[in-house]
Amino acid sequence: GQQVMQIPQYQHVQEGEDFTTYCNSSTTLSNIQWYKQRPGGHPVFLIQLVKSGEVKKQKRLTFQFGEAKKNSSLHITATQTTDVGTYFCAGFTSGTYKYIFGTGTRLKVLA
Amino acid sequence: GAVVSQHPSRVICKSGTSVKIECRSLDFQATTMFWYRQFPKKSLMLMATSNEGSKATYEQGVEKDKFLINHASLTLSTLTVTSAHPEDSSFYICSVGRASSTEAFFGQGTRLTVV
Repeated sequence: GQQVMQIPQYQHVQEGEDFTTYCNSSTTLSNIQWYKQRPGGHPVFLIQLVKSGEVKKQKRLTFQFGEAKKNSSLHITATQTTDVGTYFCAGFTSGTYKYIFGTGTRLKVLA
Repeated sequence: GAVVSQHPSRVICKSGTSVKIECRSLDFQATTMFWYRQFPKKSLMLMATSNEGSKATYEQGVEKDKFLINHASLTLSTLTVTSAHPEDSSFYICSVGRASSTEAFFGQGTRLTVV
C-alpha cells in the first residue's frame, strides 16, 4: 500500500538554528499538506501544496513540493522554542480520496 | 473558531464495555469524515473513511465490527469502540473534509484508556 515516510524521525536544534524535514511518498500525490502537532494536542493544519514544484512561505517556514509530486520538504529558519512539536506531512491521492500521514518528525528546540 | 468538535476529550472505561466518540462539523456540511488512531509518539493511522448516508470504508486490518462508524448526518459522525480492551487504548482523532476543498480540519481528539 501507499507509504509516506519522513526523515529525520527526531531533530534537536539549538534555538536560532535552521531545521528541515523531508517527506517522501511511494506514490504520486494530488496534493500534500503539512501539520504541526504540539505534545498532547491535535494536528493543526499549516499549509497545502498542489502544484508540481510549488514553493510557499509562511514567515520563517518554507514549504516545497517536488517536481514529481512524490516528495516535499518543510524548512524552518532560525527556530524558536515555540516551534517545538511534531511535524507531519499528509499526502492526498484523488484516486483513493484519503490522506495518508507521514511518519512525522519530532522537533525539540533547546534554548 | 473551532471547525470540528470531538467529544469526549478523555474517557476511561472498563474492559468489555463500549465507548462512543462523536465528531461534529460546526461550520459546514461534511460529506466525508476520517477517523484516525494515534499511538504514543507515532503517526496518525487512518482507520476508516466515513461518508454520509453510506457505509464507512475501512482500511486494511481495521476490524469493522470492533470499530463501528455511523455518519448519520452531514454534521455528525460517531465511532464506537465495542467491547473495548486495554490494547484499544489510544488517541482517536477525526477529521472533516468538504466537497469544495481537500483541506482537512481535525477535532481535538479523544484519549481512550481501557482499564
